Amino acid sequence: NAGVTQTPKFRVLKTGQSMTLLCAQDMNHEYMYWYRQDPGMGLRLIHYSVGEGTTAKGEVPDGYNVSRLKKQNFLLGLESAAPSQTSVYFCASRTLEYEQYFGPGTRLTVT
Amino acid sequence: GENVEQHPSTLSVQEGDSAVIKCTYSDSASNYFPWYKQELGKRPQLIIDIRSNVGEKKDQRIAVTLNKTAKHFSLHITETQPEDSAVYFCAAEWMDSSYKLIFGSGTRLLVRP
Repeated sequence: NAGVTQTPKFRVLKTGQSMTLLCAQDMNHEYMYWYRQDPGMGLRLIHYSVGEGTTAKGEVPDGYNVSRLKKQNFLLGLESAAPSQTSVYFCASRTLEYEQYFGPGTRLTVT
Repeated sequence: GENVEQHPSTLSVQEGDSAVIKCTYSDSASNYFPWYKQELGKRPQLIIDIRSNVGEKKDQRIAVTLNKTAKHFSLHITETQPEDSAVYFCAAEWMDSSYKLIFGSGTRLLVRP
């Protein structure tokens, strides 16, 4: 039982490049979330999913897209990266008992 | 709107003293309130949570209290140790179909040996 995993751990992009972050969970959770955390800040919700095939916008969705083709995977895409998207990205999944568990994070730098 | 306020932003205590962090929330329908500890460069880790049908919950040196009428909840750490030094986040679950967490801005706790 690996819990919540994220790939990659680190990435450096140039402005305008695209990339996809992968989140995987092996706990059969329905709900999954993508957050970003800027230095010295709390976590802000980008997008979330309440089940396979569903996605919805959170607080800060602009510049990001997501997909949940399989229940265990939640992908976060950046189509045209901007320096303002430099951040640490955390994925989380939610149990039926309300707890959210986080992945180890992806540190993204956009130059 | 959706909001969780957390105070203080930084807290420095002597080893062995107690630490208290307070949060207020805006959604009166919220009924789940977790606390996360985040060490430098690591993921947030759930350390304790409380549901609205209880007023207090304890787990060894950590306790959380909830006042639903006043819409605030607090984290209490007793007999602090240097390894308690970290950033602590409170959160409230938003009661729509998303069950998303709204996070406070965090408290940086430093325990001086």
